[in-house]
Amino acid sequence: DTAVSQTPKYLVTQMGNDKSIKCEQNLGHDTMYWYKQDSKKFLKIMFSYNNKELIINETVPNRFSPKSPDKAHLNLHINSLELGDSAVYFCASRGQPNTGELFFGEGSRLTVL
Amino acid sequence: EDKVVQSPLSLVVHEGDTVTLNCSYEVTNFRSLLWYKQEKKAPTFLFMLTSSGIEKKSGRLSSILDKKELFSILNITATQTGDSAIYLCAVNRAGSYQLTFGKGTKLSVIP
Repeated sequence: DTAVSQTPKYLVTQMGNDKSIKCEQNLGHDTMYWYKQDSKKFLKIMFSYNNKELIINETVPNRFSPKSPDKAHLNLHINSLELGDSAVYFCASRGQPNTGELFFGEGSRLTVL
Repeated sequence: EDKVVQSPLSLVVHEGDTVTLNCSYEVTNFRSLLWYKQEKKAPTFLFMLTSSGIEKKSGRLSSILDKKELFSILNITATQTGDSAIYLCAVNRAGSYQLTFGKGTKLSVIP
């Protein structure tokens, strides 16, 4: 049983398109995150939701919009994709909102051509 | 703004060597420091450290925190090729939902 699962794992698309990445966790955690990992492997926080409420919204373009239909799901929609959006996007969840470790999904590699 | 600096950025060693990876941090109201290992896909959790001077150990890996000097080290003894990975350090501020990551140390273990 995969604890944090993301789909799709790979995504290749053209500039200007709109795409979504889905994330689901079956750990019963309240807090979920989206991180972006660039080509230099630097993990940078984008968003966090706690029990469907947005709690972290770092400086990312408005083209990125997270949605949490319930506390087990956190999806990421990206409009008007740009070359610089190419990266690996990791979803993560956390059992204790500000004390526990993060459990990561396997990542979604987005390539924008 | 919280800051995490890892060194070295990359390291190449031979099997059987012992390595020490460093992580220094600046964070307001420190709560914990975490180490992760990232091979090809998701980062996987290694250790969480909250108290100074108490070593955490798992097999050949161990880690310790110094809250006075604001750093942590991750030691790997008798390295194996399977230890090749990026090792990530992250800090958690008290009351914050966010983990701030360093840029990682890429360890390559050659036979």
